[in-house]
Amino acid sequence: NFMLTQPHSVSESPGKTVTISCTRSSGSIASNYVQWYQQRPGSSPTTVIYEDNQRPSGVPDRFSGSIDSSSNSASLTISGLKTEDEADYYCQSYDSSNQRNWVFGGGTKLTVL
Amino acid sequence: EVQLVESGGGLVQPGRSLRLSCAASGFTFDDYAMHWVRQAPGKGLEWVSGISWNSGSIGYADSVKGRFTISRDNAKNSLYLQMNSLRAEDTALYYCAKSPTSIYSGSYQFDYWGQGTLVTVSS
Repeated sequence: NFMLTQPHSVSESPGKTVTISCTRSSGSIASNYVQWYQQRPGSSPTTVIYEDNQRPSGVPDRFSGSIDSSSNSASLTISGLKTEDEADYYCQSYDSSNQRNWVFGGGTKLTVL
Repeated sequence: EVQLVESGGGLVQPGRSLRLSCAASGFTFDDYAMHWVRQAPGKGLEWVSGISWNSGSIGYADSVKGRFTISRDNAKNSLYLQMNSLRAEDTALYYCAKSPTSIYSGSYQFDYWGQGTLVTVSS
């Protein structure tokens, strides 16, 4: 089993760029795709990045994803921040060991102030 | 339009049982694996269980293994979660989530989510 660790919270001003990290505790971050979900208060999660760096249709190109094998982490970058981006963000990956589980990070609260 | 509508949540005493349902529409239900994901109040997301398109592959999180049973009825476009021996720590909003593929295992996203049904375990 592995864990995905995210910062508890980040904050940035409108128009700026923010990056949220997601560090895998064991095994290679590159061994399974990473997804990112946005969850606004009172709403269900929606995908903003899938398969490390792919954006679903309808998600603006201000959202981008990447992985870094040297730090064994994935990152979600949001540029040109808008107040509507204020939400919780969760990374997610898959444990392809004997467990065959889906693993979520603890979530990051993004405040746009 | 894909729709997933959960039902069956409520207040239940510790040790009792509850059965959740998820009614699916807007897509060919038996073409896709399905999952349950839960979120305790004020907490993060936790994968609970998943099932392949034909119920041939099934998996559970360690926290629910032996107590919860996932099933599906493709004729009724429905997903179920039978929850037995409920504990206070099972209190959460339970989401039904769709896989983008028919197989159970795989490094994929959950591409559609329902609105969730709240389960509260308390005496």
